[in-house]
Amino acid sequence: AQRVTQPEKLLSVFKGAPVELKCNYSYSGSPELFWYVQYSRQRLQLLLRHISRESIKGFTADLNKGETSFHLKKPFAQEEDSAMYYCALSQHSSASKIIFGSGTRLSIRP
Amino acid sequence: NAGVTQTPKFQVLKTGQSMTLQCAQDMNHEYMSWYRQDPGMGLRLIHYSVGAGITDQGEVPNGYNVSRSTTEDFPLRLLSAAPSQTSVYFCASSYARPYTGELFFGEGSRLTVL
Repeated sequence: AQRVTQPEKLLSVFKGAPVELKCNYSYSGSPELFWYVQYSRQRLQLLLRHISRESIKGFTADLNKGETSFHLKKPFAQEEDSAMYYCALSQHSSASKIIFGSGTRLSIRP
Repeated sequence: NAGVTQTPKFQVLKTGQSMTLQCAQDMNHEYMSWYRQDPGMGLRLIHYSVGAGITDQGEVPNGYNVSRSTTEDFPLRLLSAAPSQTSVYFCASSYARPYTGELFFGEGSRLTVL
């Protein structure tokens, strides 16, 4: 069965400090992993996907199949990064169940 | 550009009442889905559809029905509301062919069952 685990409900860091939001998954097939973000009073939106190997707003995430992880990282946090972050998983290249983790609220302190 | 539109935004029901949450998208997306968002539990998939006439169950389908008679609409029905269904509900859609995995979300519908 598909499962996404985000162990931290809340992560609070100072502005300028590095950020790492953890995501672990379990899936027997070939997964696609995503990070979604929900800023205050905005819709949930895609931040980045592992297949694109891109950096969005300074965030990167590397898929580690050996550790079944997809942690989200940013070297220097900014106040505008404060938001709710969700890790999500789906079957590779196929419209199917897209399962989300429980989310981590990131709070950046000035 | 409307995107994904959900109605109503807020609703209060009494236990046992029925209602339908409406979801419409104007992006010609084949894939549509419903999630509920609860504190500490994140987003849980209720039902999804990969095209008109095709629906399937997600993680928490009990107590909910869906249908997909058109590409644009994907209503979620609560036949007999229970307090455990108090939640924020999100509709989301995506291209299925080619599959991109990028979900476009509605603004959410906050449901309270008394």
